[in-house]
Amino acid sequence: GAGVSQSPSNKVTEKGKDVELRCDPISGHTALYWYRQSLGQGLEFLIYFQGNSAPDKSGLPSDRFSAERTGGSVSTLTIQRTQQEDSAVYLCASSSRDWPYEQYFGPGTRLTVT
Amino acid sequence: GESVGLHLPTLSVQEGDNSIINCAYSNSASDYFIWYKQESGKGPQFIIDIRSNMDKRQGQRVTVLLNKTVKHLSLQIAATQPGDSAVYFCAENMGFGNEKLTFGTGTRLTIIP
Repeated sequence: GAGVSQSPSNKVTEKGKDVELRCDPISGHTALYWYRQSLGQGLEFLIYFQGNSAPDKSGLPSDRFSAERTGGSVSTLTIQRTQQEDSAVYLCASSSRDWPYEQYFGPGTRLTVT
Repeated sequence: GESVGLHLPTLSVQEGDNSIINCAYSNSASDYFIWYKQESGKGPQFIIDIRSNMDKRQGQRVTVLLNKTVKHLSLQIAATQPGDSAVYFCAENMGFGNEKLTFGTGTRLTIIP
């Protein structure tokens, strides 16, 4: 079956511009997660959705970052007024409510801010 | 704050040998641990998990050991193959549900032919 998909796969943008990153979770998965991975680093949690609500936004690094999820499916991560330190791979994962709550990851979007 | 950390950033192992990747965690409240494998240019892939009420779990060529006394997690890969070359992350989850995962920095495993 189809896995988690993300688009675009690569995005190069100029400092100060806004970007939108998209995640299509696995069909039927109720939970959706956004992570950020800098070069050679682990995964930094950004935000988690259960359905369309976000019970945990604690990882968003600043108010320039926002995310939404509609119809319990697709999610969009928006970064406003991008900065060079926003350059990273943004990973999305989804999971179902069944044990072991395994999170399935998408391939990521590589964002480069010039 | 508390975090998951790894002892070694890189590990090289001869093909066919066994490898052990270690992970230290500091949050005694963590309930669930997962090992992920990440190949270059791809998202992390689930390998194996273990609940805090267990100390060992086996999969195909992989075994995860949990020592709650010293807050240590390890991933053993038997008879390593070239395809095992990747970065391995341990992650912890403090909730029995769809909670966020805290990831360690990762260990890069290189299999030498």
